[in-house]
Amino acid sequence: DQQVKQNSPSLSVQEGRISILNCDYTNSMFDYFLWYKKYPAEGPTFLISISSIKDKNEDGRFTVFLNKSAKHLSLHIVPSQPGDSAVYFCAAAHGSSNTGKLIFGQGTTLQVKP
Amino acid sequence: GAGVSQSPSNKVTEKGKDVELRCDPISGHTALYWYRQRLGQGLEFLIYFQGNSAPDKSGLPSDRFSAERTGESVSTLTIQRTQQEDSAVYLCASSLVLSTDTQYFGPGTRLTVL
Repeated sequence: DQQVKQNSPSLSVQEGRISILNCDYTNSMFDYFLWYKKYPAEGPTFLISISSIKDKNEDGRFTVFLNKSAKHLSLHIVPSQPGDSAVYFCAAAHGSSNTGKLIFGQGTTLQVKP
Repeated sequence: GAGVSQSPSNKVTEKGKDVELRCDPISGHTALYWYRQRLGQGLEFLIYFQGNSAPDKSGLPSDRFSAERTGESVSTLTIQRTQQEDSAVYLCASSLVLSTDTQYFGPGTRLTVL
């Protein structure tokens, strides 16, 4: 039972354009969402997060949007840069339980072409 | 400072053998987590340790899997009688306290069971 789904395994965009990565979840108990970025042969690194009390969180070129009614979140990268090429994982948690247990999606491989 | 380190980086073993994977967390981090990523799938939570509290073992897939942590230092994940479906990248993460957004991941151990 995949509680967090990233339905697009890959995405290719041109440098300077917007990258939009999508994530859907099924468990309405999730109240905290995160995006991690992973380069080959490295562990994932935390990118940005959002609590369910908000619908948007912005950090530089990265913005995460949360649509609770649709159980959907997205990561926008503007403008995209070649160094953004990596695998992006969406993750969810019962933040209020503070267990640290993250449920991850399958990942989306982003390629930003120069 | 030093990040989370894992050893070995790669492990090839024969079906039925036992393997031991090691994780060195960031110094001072009280919480330590193990995840695995099978091919084409997202990261799957296995277990976490928080200080001297009882670990949360709810993600361990079978009784062939076990993990130990000595104080707030090194952790080992042991898989007994390995099966081919155990082939995956095993990732360790640590955080200062039990948390959902500040987990720092190691590079992982790629386990291949022949």
